[in-house]
Amino acid sequence: QKEVEQDPGPLSVPEGAIVSLNCTYSNSAFQYFMWYRQYSRKGPELLMYTYSSGNKEDGRFTAQVDKSSKYISLFIRDSQPSDSATYLCAMRSSGLGSARQLTFGSGTQLTVLP
Amino acid sequence: DTGVSQNPRHKITKRGQNVTFRCDPISEHNRLYWYRQTLGQGPEFLTYFQNEAQLEKSRLLSDRFSAERPKGSFSTLEIQRTEQGDSAMYLCASSLSSGETQYFGPGTRLLVL
Repeated sequence: QKEVEQDPGPLSVPEGAIVSLNCTYSNSAFQYFMWYRQYSRKGPELLMYTYSSGNKEDGRFTAQVDKSSKYISLFIRDSQPSDSATYLCAMRSSGLGSARQLTFGSGTQLTVLP
Repeated sequence: DTGVSQNPRHKITKRGQNVTFRCDPISEHNRLYWYRQTLGQGPEFLTYFQNEAQLEKSRLLSDRFSAERPKGSFSTLEIQRTEQGDSAMYLCASSLSSGETQYFGPGTRLLVL
């Protein structure tokens, strides 16, 4: 079983819809949680970064972390065709050494239809 | 452009050949990471440098792989005797030692025939 599980989709929504993307994880040492957006054949681009539990909002994007359930979410409001991409959750523990590496989900492919 | 850059962007090689990729991190970042991403999967950690010191290597990094960061600036990743299973996107990321955010480059896409 992978440390981070993410529904691969594909997910297709109409323009303007609210999108919910989720990841679950098994390693209770994870403290830092990130969402990256990756367009086809490009490198991942950081969207959201949160530490520990709670919510964080940035424009149309809201990230939620529930450490008690080992569950993180990314919500996209008023989705646009330009949001069509693969969304990757990533996380890491605190501390030194191997804790520095990010562990990624497999990504959810999102298409927003005009 | 002050982001992470990687060269070449694409590489096609024949099985058994050696290949080398280069990563130039964001200039003030002293941490540098290499990841590998295969189709339909998220990136997987390969190795990590703090300045010129290689501090962590994944078990994915077989003895055919070697990475260097000789002056604590750019880094190279070499794959010797390439195999078809090495075909993937090789991603480089960098971060500040005081920061937790890793910024990724555009990747080098390797195809081994």
